Amino acid sequence: GEDVEQSLFLSVREGDSSVINCTYTDSSSTYLYWYKQEPGAGLQLLTYIFSNMDMKQDQRLTVLLNKKDKHLSLRIADTQTGDSAIYFCAETLPGFQKLVFGTGTRLLVSP
Amino acid sequence: ETGVTQSPTHLIKTRGQQVTLRCSSQSGHNTVSWYQQALGQGPQFIFQYYREEENGRGNFPPRFSGLQFPNYSSELNVNALELDDSALYLCASSLPDRGTEAFFGQGTRLTVV
Repeated sequence: GEDVEQSLFLSVREGDSSVINCTYTDSSSTYLYWYKQEPGAGLQLLTYIFSNMDMKQDQRLTVLLNKKDKHLSLRIADTQTGDSAIYFCAETLPGFQKLVFGTGTRLLVSP
Repeated sequence: ETGVTQSPTHLIKTRGQQVTLRCSSQSGHNTVSWYQQALGQGPQFIFQYYREEENGRGNFPPRFSGLQFPNYSSELNVNALELDDSALYLCASSLPDRGTEAFFGQGTRLTVV
């Protein structure tokens, strides 16, 4: 079935790296996504990775995908206070465009 | 700024009432999806519209219905509101061949009292 899980909370200091983890259950996932949600706002697409890739880098963001373990991670280098938000992992399945979201990880960056 | 706009931003309704939420898609996007995000949860898929037809539905009762118009704008209607319908309702638009990139509006916060 479709199930995406994330840890609830992560606290880091400004300038450190943050790693947010996600596990999913459906091995037929086609794309996996990371979205950011700031207070009172909608969802901002940060990056996504196709299921036949194992890594994608985009400026400060690095996505790692371990298909065998169904594990996805988002690394944010040089984390800034403006990165404080809730981060959602999501997947799509073949033939359909709905997104299945995790419960979100709240990232708190302290000065 | 994604170009997807939703109205109203906030709304308070009484249990049993009906509500209509609106979404204007990003220019050129003919696929619209609606999601419900309860407090502290991830968004849950309600349904998707493509070229004015429902193109998939999540686990929501029939009192949740939608429309898509020729200009690709969309409405979400909820009848017989229940307290548990209180949530942030998010609209997302995409191109059918670029479903990988869904752009979300800022959402409508619905409170049912």
